[in-house]
Amino acid sequence: DIQMTQSPSTLSASVGDRVTITCRASQSISSWLAWYQQKPGRAPNLLIYKASSLQSGVPSRFSGSGSGTEFTLTISSLQPDDFATYYCQQYDTLWTFGQGTKVEIK
Amino acid sequence: QITLKESGPTLVKPTQTLTLTCTFSGFSLTTSGLGVGWIRQPPGKALEWLALIYWDDDKRYSPSLKSRLTITKDTTKNQVVLTMTNMDPVDTATYYCAHKGVYGVLDYWGQGTLVTVSS
Repeated sequence: DIQMTQSPSTLSASVGDRVTITCRASQSISSWLAWYQQKPGRAPNLLIYKASSLQSGVPSRFSGSGSGTEFTLTISSLQPDDFATYYCQQYDTLWTFGQGTKVEIK
Repeated sequence: QITLKESGPTLVKPTQTLTLTCTFSGFSLTTSGLGVGWIRQPPGKALEWLALIYWDDDKRYSPSLKSRLTITKDTTKNQVVLTMTNMDPVDTATYYCAHKGVYGVLDYWGQGTLVTVSS
């Protein structure tokens, strides 16, 4: 099984901050990685697929990078609507999610 | 416009079998490359992928839950059904279904349905 490890688990930040979340795979997944945003009581919303492709309708302040086993999600300038939990997910072999990163208000 | 919606019981007793239905629109599960998957999320915890069925009826299951899960589809009704046997309180979670695009990513999700396992 491929394991996905996110860091940090919680991140405190202010509006306007640049935020980076890291995701590590237990083995190479090429670029088969997605990032989701989830708000309380809501379904996850796809932000990034294939490691760096922005899903239609997602603001350009979100970006993804990486390949192989190391990936990052960056929010260039944090907005009030961005306080949420973020999950990475590999889809190279079956589907596995990271444990999530909660972005909270500092 | 792709939409999915989960339906099923909100409360099941321990040892019972859970049956959930995902009813979708905006795509056909006869289209090559597409699939529908199930994911769950216990309260306050992370997402966990459970199962997925492909357009050609190929199926994939989470290795840790494989013995308890069955996924089927009815293309005439645009539905995918997940059954999970021998339910336990630790299976209490919100269960989501999602559309799998051609390249594998789960890109459209239902709103989820909360299932509580309790006697």
